[in-house]
Amino acid sequence: EDKVVQSPLSLVVHEGDTVTLNCSYEVTNFRSLLWYKQEKKAPTFLFMLTSSGIEKKSGRLSSILDKKELFSILNITATQTGDSAIYLCAANSNSGYALNFGKGTSLLVTP
Amino acid sequence: DAGVIQSPRHEVTEMGQEVTLRCKPISGHNSLFWYRQTMMRGLELLIYFNNNVPIDDSGMPEDRFSAKMPNASFSTLKIQPSEPRDSAVYFCASKPNPGLLYGYTFGSGTRLTVV
Repeated sequence: EDKVVQSPLSLVVHEGDTVTLNCSYEVTNFRSLLWYKQEKKAPTFLFMLTSSGIEKKSGRLSSILDKKELFSILNITATQTGDSAIYLCAANSNSGYALNFGKGTSLLVTP
Repeated sequence: DAGVIQSPRHEVTEMGQEVTLRCKPISGHNSLFWYRQTMMRGLELLIYFNNNVPIDDSGMPEDRFSAKMPNASFSTLKIQPSEPRDSAVYFCASKPNPGLLYGYTFGSGTRLTVV
């Protein structure tokens, strides 16, 4: 059975800290890994990774995929209170069309 | 574009009542998904439609759940009879076509509480 596991489940940091969120996956015929940010409402897309070792970056957020070790990390540098959210990782397979989500990491950034 | 539109935003109902959740996907999107989110289980896929046809409903918990997509611009998820364990946030998502690796757009969700 396909599985996506995120860690930690929750995290509290101070503004300005750097955080690393982890996502490991076991997916048959893996195709891509996606990161979403969920605040109060719908998940919003952050990154999609398909190739190993290539970093995707957007401002203070960056992510990388390791297809050999079957994991991805999401880094947030110089965190701000607006980064407080649940971060979701999801894997997509060749035979699938829908996303297999992890349970998420709940991040709280305190002033 | 208004995005994926779900209604109602919140629903509180008594156990045993029928509940109908509604979704309007983004115009031109051929794939529609219903997900359920709980603290314990995270986001789980319930059912997937492509071109209005249900392709995979293996995630539908039991016969009390049913989903329809009568046309390209509307889908419903019905629970009859509802139970307290159905309490969750139900998301609808759409994307342009099944082959795309990305492009999922989620609605704002319906928070269902069954008392």
